[in-house]
Amino acid sequence: DIQMTQSPASLSASLGETVTIECRASEDIYNGLAWYQQKPGKSPQLLIYNANSLHTGVPSRFSGSGSGTQYSLKINSLQSEDVASYFCQQYYDYPFTFGSGTKLEIK
Amino acid sequence: QVTLKESGPGILQPSQTLSLTCSFSGFSLSTSGICVSWIRQPSGKGLEWLATICWEDSKGYNPSLKNRLTISKDTSNNQAFLKITSVDTADTAIYYCAPGPGWFAYWGQGTLVTVSS
Repeated sequence: DIQMTQSPASLSASLGETVTIECRASEDIYNGLAWYQQKPGKSPQLLIYNANSLHTGVPSRFSGSGSGTQYSLKINSLQSEDVASYFCQQYYDYPFTFGSGTKLEIK
Repeated sequence: QVTLKESGPGILQPSQTLSLTCSFSGFSLSTSGICVSWIRQPSGKGLEWLATICWEDSKGYNPSLKNRLTISKDTSNNQAFLKITSVDTADTAIYYCAPGPGWFAYWGQGTLVTVSS
């Protein structure tokens, strides 16, 4: 199985700041990576797919980058509505696997 | 417009079989390239992919659940199903279904399943 190591587990930042969340895969996943945002009590929402493609309707302050085994999600100009948990997911190979999540809070 | 709704028993006892239904609209599991997956999330924890079924009836299972999973579909009625045998308390979670080739752009609201004696 491909292991996804996500960091940090939690993050506190101020409004307007830029934050970065990272995921490392245990082997090359050839950009087969998605990022999700999940607010409390809600289903996950897709932000990024294919490592760097912005899903329809997602604000442009969200961006994804990376290749090989290292990937990151960047949120520019942090807004109060970005308070949520964020998960990465690899879909390069079965079994699909998720990172353990990052809980983002506002300082 | 893609919509999905998961349904299940709510509560069941250890050792029983869990049967879940995903009813969807806005796409068809008979369309080339379309797959539906099941994903679960214990309360306050992360996401775990369980199984995927595709339009041509290919299937993928999470080996961590060994041989306890069976995924199936009813194309005519736009439904997908998941059975989990021999449940125990560790199977308590919200269960989601989602379509997609790998990434999940649409999710149902999820159905909470509690395993308790």
